[in-house]
Amino acid sequence: GDSVTQMEGPVTLSEEAFLTINCTYTATGYPSLFWYVQYPGEGLQLLLKATKADDKGSNKGFEATYRKETTSFHLEKGSVQVSDSAVYFCALSNFNKFYFGSGTKLNVKP
Amino acid sequence: DTGVSQNPRHKITKRGQNVTFRCDPISEHNRLYWYRQTLGQGPEFLTYFQNEAQLEKSRLLSDRFSAERPKGSFSTLEIQRTEQGDSAMYLCASSFPTGENTEAFFGQGTRLTVV
Repeated sequence: GDSVTQMEGPVTLSEEAFLTINCTYTATGYPSLFWYVQYPGEGLQLLLKATKADDKGSNKGFEATYRKETTSFHLEKGSVQVSDSAVYFCALSNFNKFYFGSGTKLNVKP
Repeated sequence: DTGVSQNPRHKITKRGQNVTFRCDPISEHNRLYWYRQTLGQGPEFLTYFQNEAQLEKSRLLSDRFSAERPKGSFSTLEIQRTEQGDSAMYLCASSFPTGENTEAFFGQGTRLTVV
């Protein structure tokens, strides 16, 4: 079945460091891919998305490219801020359902 | 606020009691999803509706769980005879599909604690 695998956390970085959170997926057909962010005690907020191969999603300095050949959708940011501290979920949408990874907690220290 | 709204935000109940949660989706979103999230895990699919029709239910959704969306607008999720293992965050999401795949917008969730 469809599934998403993302790197385990927590990831601890200093402010202005470069961020990569790895995500790979397994799916039939042509899924859409997403990154969601969750702050403590809150629901999930859409961060960015890509709907087809080679698309790049971007928002708030975060980027991810849909790589069909490697079935990956890695999240990157060039310079993280303390306010980026949260849990990040990689997800795919296929045939009306969403599948999520287990989440990666990011801690950014001043 | 035109986002997805869930009530209550928190619910503490004794084992064996029934609980009901409500979700109000974004207006005109015809798809509505329920997910369950336990600590340190990603959301797990429970069920989804297209308008008032419940189109799919996960095997996670035991007979004690029932969901409705009577008029194709708000939805309720009821858990009967709650068990401690039901303690989790219950998330609702809605979408308006423009194709086979589109993003879902999530509410803030209802955190259930069964004591």
